[in-house]
Parts: sequence; C-alpha cells; structure tokens
Amino acid sequence: NAGVMQNPRHLVRRRGQEARLRCSPMKGHSHVYWYRQLPEEGLKFMVYLQKENIIDESGMPKERFSAEFPKEGPSILRIQQVVRGDSAAYFCASSRRTGTGTIGYTFGSGTRLTVV
Amino acid sequence: DQQVKQNSPSLSVQEGRISILNCDYTNSMFDYFLWYKKYPAEGPTFLISISSIKDKNEDGRFTVFLNKSAKHLSLHIVPSQPGDSAVYFCAASAADGIQGAQKLVFGQGTRLTINP
Repeated sequence: NAGVMQNPRHLVRRRGQEARLRCSPMKGHSHVYWYRQLPEEGLKFMVYLQKENIIDESGMPKERFSAEFPKEGPSILRIQQVVRGDSAAYFCASSRRTGTGTIGYTFGSGTRLTVV
Repeated sequence: DQQVKQNSPSLSVQEGRISILNCDYTNSMFDYFLWYKKYPAEGPTFLISISSIKDKNEDGRFTVFLNKSAKHLSLHIVPSQPGDSAVYFCAASAADGIQGAQKLVFGQGTRLTINP
C-alpha cells in the first residue's frame, strides 16, 4: 500500500524555465492538496483538487502557477518561468474524502525545487 | 496575517521529561486542530488531532489540549524520547461550504530536541 508519491524529489531549474511537479495520491484517495514550504516557515496551502476539478485555488499565486488532476495519471503542479523566489519544498497530500471534522491527510515526501 | 502561531522556534527537553509545545490561533471559525511531526527531507506525519467540541485528546504518550476561550492548544509528550526530536507543526482547519474542503493552516513550527 504505497503512500503519496511525489517526484522528482529534487528539481533544479534555471530562471525562466518551467518546473513540473508530480503527485500520485494514495490508492483510493480522490482528493489532492498542494502545499509550499519556504525556508524556516510553515506549510502554506496552495490548491485543492478532485479528479478533473479544481475545488479551491485560493492559495495559488495569480500568475505562472497552475495545477491539474486529470482523470488518469498523477496531479501536476506547473510553475512557468520560474524565479529564485519559487525555491521551496512543495508537498502534496491526499485524502479519501472530506467532510466536517474528518481529515484523512497523508503527505508525500515533497519535491525540493531550487531555482538557480 | 498569521492565523496560526507557534511562538517558540525551538525547545530543548531532557529525555524522560515532559515536552510541551504551544500553539495559538486567531480565527474563531477553526473547528479542527492537528499536530504534525516532520523530519528533515520528509513530509509531515500526522500525530494527533482534536475537534473543537473537545478539550482533550490522548493517544499513548501524546496528549493535545484545547482551550477555545484562549484560542490556544498545546501538545504534551511524556515521557520524551530521543526519537521525538523533530519539527512539530500545529495546523487548523475550518469546514467551509465548498464541498467540505479541509485545507489546513499551519503554524511556523517548533524544533524539538530531546537530550539524552
């Protein structure tokens, strides 16, 4: 029973390039969440997706960032034209369902993005 | 606007003694609180949670206390063990109308060191 799988674990991009971060949720989980952790800070919510739907993207920067969770395949967080300030650890979490008082969050190990 | 605050960046405790980690929040809409433990280069691991209808929840060596009037919660670990050395994050959520989305708001974390 594999956990939440994120790849790559480490990603180095030059300024202006695109970064693609992948997240495969746990088996049976249909809800995916992306969080970003800047150095010495807590995790900040970015986006919540269900299959083929973005439910809440209130934490996503308005430009350059996008996320999808297609019917088949992993969820993708895409960052276009990366800048140094995008350097961070990006964590994905999945859950079976949401509902008041019920959270079954499992986090992946994260992707560490370094922009040089 | 830091809605969840962990004011102690670090804490050092002797092995066998009690570790107390504190967390304050400002949003009275939060109705579910969680503690996560995080090792370097890994994703956060769920430890224990508490609903706003309770004031205490216990699981083995871990106990979480919630004081709603003070908007304060704490995590007690007793007895503390060397393997407890990690960064601990407090997180909170508020059920909203968007399909019960349960995005989490995290504190900045407290680095706990257990000394032998």
